[in-house]
Amino acid sequence: AQSVSQHNHHVILSEAASLELGCNYSYGGTVNLFWYVQYPGQHLQLLLKYFSGDPLVKGIKGFEAEFIKSKFSFNLRKPSVQWSDTAEYFCAVNAIGSQGNLIFGKGTKLSVKP
Amino acid sequence: DAGVTQSPTHLIKTRGQQVTLRCSPKSGHDTVSWYQQALGQGPQFIFQYYEEEERQRGNFPDRFSGHQFPNYSSELNVNALLLGDSALYLCASSLVTGPPESLHFGNGTRLTVT
Repeated sequence: AQSVSQHNHHVILSEAASLELGCNYSYGGTVNLFWYVQYPGQHLQLLLKYFSGDPLVKGIKGFEAEFIKSKFSFNLRKPSVQWSDTAEYFCAVNAIGSQGNLIFGKGTKLSVKP
Repeated sequence: DAGVTQSPTHLIKTRGQQVTLRCSPKSGHDTVSWYQQALGQGPQFIFQYYEEEERQRGNFPDRFSGHQFPNYSSELNVNALLLGDSALYLCASSLVTGPPESLHFGNGTRLTVT
């Protein structure tokens, strides 16, 4: 069965620090990969996605993620976080052809201290 | 504005009761997916509706059922509520012919079972 593991439950950083959130998935076939963000009191929003091509993808608000197929990983990065990045971040995967059926990780809560 | 609207926002029910949650998809979307997000967990796929039929189903018991109406709105019904059904229930809409990133989430309905 497919699964997604997020390495960190809660990350606390100071503003301007660099961020890397780990995500590993288990699935033998071709997948689409996503990072979603949930700001306090708001709905889940797509941060970035990977379908194919360049394994380094850029998303909104300066976030990027790198797909490493050999490691089944899709880590999220940001060079310099801001207080407004405080949110919960979810990695998700779905098998090709299973649109709408996303497998989510447990999420990583990011707290950025001003 | 999420575009996907869910009602009610909060709900308190007693064990053994039945509950109905409602979702209106984003304008132009024809597919509705439901997710359960327990505290401290990522969203878990329940099922997906398209053309008023259940297309895909996750690992949830038959107590969880749904419906989609001709206007694409959807209901999630849960019978014989258990304490473990307490969670945030998310609705997501998309276009069946759209790319995977077309999935839009609502703000959710928080269900508390006492």
